[in-house]
Amino acid sequence: DVVMTQTPVSLSLAIGQPASISCKSSQSLLGTSGKTFLNWILQRPGQSPKRLIYQVSKLYSEVPDRFSGSGSETEFTLKISRVEAEDLGVYYCWQGTHFPHTFGAGTKLELK
Amino acid sequence: EVQLVESGGGLVQPGRSLKLSCVASGFTFSNYGMNWIRQAPGKGLEWVAYISSGSSYIYYAETVKGRFTISRDNAKNTLYLQMTSLRSEDTALYYCEGDSYWGQGVMVTVSS
Repeated sequence: DVVMTQTPVSLSLAIGQPASISCKSSQSLLGTSGKTFLNWILQRPGQSPKRLIYQVSKLYSEVPDRFSGSGSETEFTLKISRVEAEDLGVYYCWQGTHFPHTFGAGTKLELK
Repeated sequence: EVQLVESGGGLVQPGRSLKLSCVASGFTFSNYGMNWIRQAPGKGLEWVAYISSGSSYIYYAETVKGRFTISRDNAKNTLYLQMTSLRSEDTALYYCEGDSYWGQGVMVTVSS
């Protein structure tokens, strides 16, 4: 199985500060289609997960452009240019290239 | 508006069965592969099963293989998860996911 390793486990930031979350996979997520199925989702407290980014760097239409994703093969990064209050929660990366699909353990973003 | 609404959860004794449903609306359900993903209380996300749009491809996590069956009825826009031989470690909030959207989840508690 592909192991997804997220760091850090938690982030404590003030509003307006940048954030960066790393996600590393134990094998390449580049599929035979030439696409890399690495997704980022956010789970706010008490809510179900919400989509943020797909195929490494593509933002869903409703996601603010302060979010960005980058990376390739086995190393990926989610960045928030300026944290806002609504960004608090747990961020997960997950891969859809290989079965079984697997998730990172999550990164909790808290307000300082 | 896309909606995924799960139902069928509850408290069940170990060894018994339960069938979850997920009704989709707001997108063309028959065009998309669908996933069941679960979250044990206070824990991270665990992928459970996947079914392709036409039901030709089905995959399971090793932890549920042989006990759970995923299926769908495209005429009813509904995804199912038949769970048998339930164990205490199956206790979790079960989400359906498709086209990057997530339902609100349905709780399954396995306890005597």
